[in-house]
Amino acid sequence: GAVVSQHPSRVICKSGTSVKIECRSLDFQATTMFWYRQFPKQSLMLMATSNEGSKATYEQGVEKDKFLINHASLTLSTLTVTSAHPEDSSFYICSARDPGAPGEQYFGPGTRLTVT
Amino acid sequence: AQSVSQHNHHVILSEAASLELGCNYSYGGTVNLFWYVQYPGQHLQLLLKYFSGDPLVKGIKGFEAEFIKSKFSFNLRKPSVQWSDTAEYFCAVNHNNAGNMLTFGGGTRLMVKP
Repeated sequence: GAVVSQHPSRVICKSGTSVKIECRSLDFQATTMFWYRQFPKQSLMLMATSNEGSKATYEQGVEKDKFLINHASLTLSTLTVTSAHPEDSSFYICSARDPGAPGEQYFGPGTRLTVT
Repeated sequence: AQSVSQHNHHVILSEAASLELGCNYSYGGTVNLFWYVQYPGQHLQLLLKYFSGDPLVKGIKGFEAEFIKSKFSFNLRKPSVQWSDTAEYFCAVNHNNAGNMLTFGGGTRLMVKP
């Protein structure tokens, strides 16, 4: 199956700083990628849909100025958490749409962000 | 808004016991249905999916799920679980008006005792 990678896998940053998380599709081109957030012992909550070459679509309640998404190429989407606060600490997961299977997504391994 | 419900939050079974995890969704139109598994420390992996055709779908590792349209359900089953099935299981739904967006259920944490 298709492979999606994320970098870094873990990051610890200080309050007020910004953190960038990368999501790459390794063996296929992904025109659409998704960013999720997963709190401990909870399900995945969709944050935004990232479309190559256009602006991301954010879900209700997600601050677009805080969670900046850039999908500059068909294999890379980035999520930048700006001015991070401890409440932003979470597990961030990206996924990429399978071009050949409507609705199906391949998931990255996730990035655990801890803001101190 | 579309919602997906998994009623069992935690399930504990002994090895060789049978498993059934419930999943219900609220959307009335055409849907694509998925079960994903997340083993401890690993990323989400697709167990099985239903797009159309035979409502009884067989997936990897002996799992199967049955789509019952009248009940808006897509329950996951396995006749005999193993310790290695210990993981969190997520049901997800994509409907044809949502592009490729998935809506996830709350997840069910399964622990299989050896």
